Amino acid sequence: EAGVVQSPRYKIIEKKQPVAFWCNPISGHNTLYWYRQNLGQGPELLIRYENEEAVDDSQLPKDRFSAERLKGVDSTLKIQPAELGDSAVYLCASTPGQVNTEAFFGQGTRLTVV
Amino acid sequence: AQSVTQLGSHVSVSEGALVLLRCNYSSSVPPYLFWYVQYPNQGLQLLLKYTTGATLVKGINGFEAEFKKSETSFHLTKPSAHMSDAAEYFCAVSRNAGKSTFGDGTTLTVKP
Repeated sequence: EAGVVQSPRYKIIEKKQPVAFWCNPISGHNTLYWYRQNLGQGPELLIRYENEEAVDDSQLPKDRFSAERLKGVDSTLKIQPAELGDSAVYLCASTPGQVNTEAFFGQGTRLTVV
Repeated sequence: AQSVTQLGSHVSVSEGALVLLRCNYSSSVPPYLFWYVQYPNQGLQLLLKYTTGATLVKGINGFEAEFKKSETSFHLTKPSAHMSDAAEYFCAVSRNAGKSTFGDGTTLTVKP
């Protein structure tokens, strides 16, 4: 069975440009997360979806970040406009929904803003 | 609220030596605890988890961890380090609908 798939793996953009990341979770996983991992730190939650509903977006910088999960499967995370401080690895993860199960992570998208 | 503290951002051991990576947590409710490993340019992979029951948890690649409620700890150990264990390790605590809080990670270096 395929794991969580993210694309692109790497992205380099100039500041003030827009960028989008895509995630395809494991089939049947209702819960999807976007995390940001800064260099030398652990992942920090940006947004959590239960099916197509964003149930926790308290850490998402809403002035420039947006996300969607149409049809409750694939998800996209967008930044517009990007800032130098947005350089990080953006990780997508999914779980079946039960609280005691681990998250399955994609390989991440490494964003560099220059 | 929940938080995780990993003591030591870098740990170096010789091949064959004991590996001990420390994790302390805080949680207002009984926690679920996880250890993940991350190899360069890869996502996180689960090593082991504690939810309920036996406090000594065995995971993949010979790792194990013990949940000690009185010490609010969940340290990761492996009796004998292998070169392939070199990676970054993250401790995480979860309780509220799967939202995990991660520590800042410990980079394990294994010397030949």
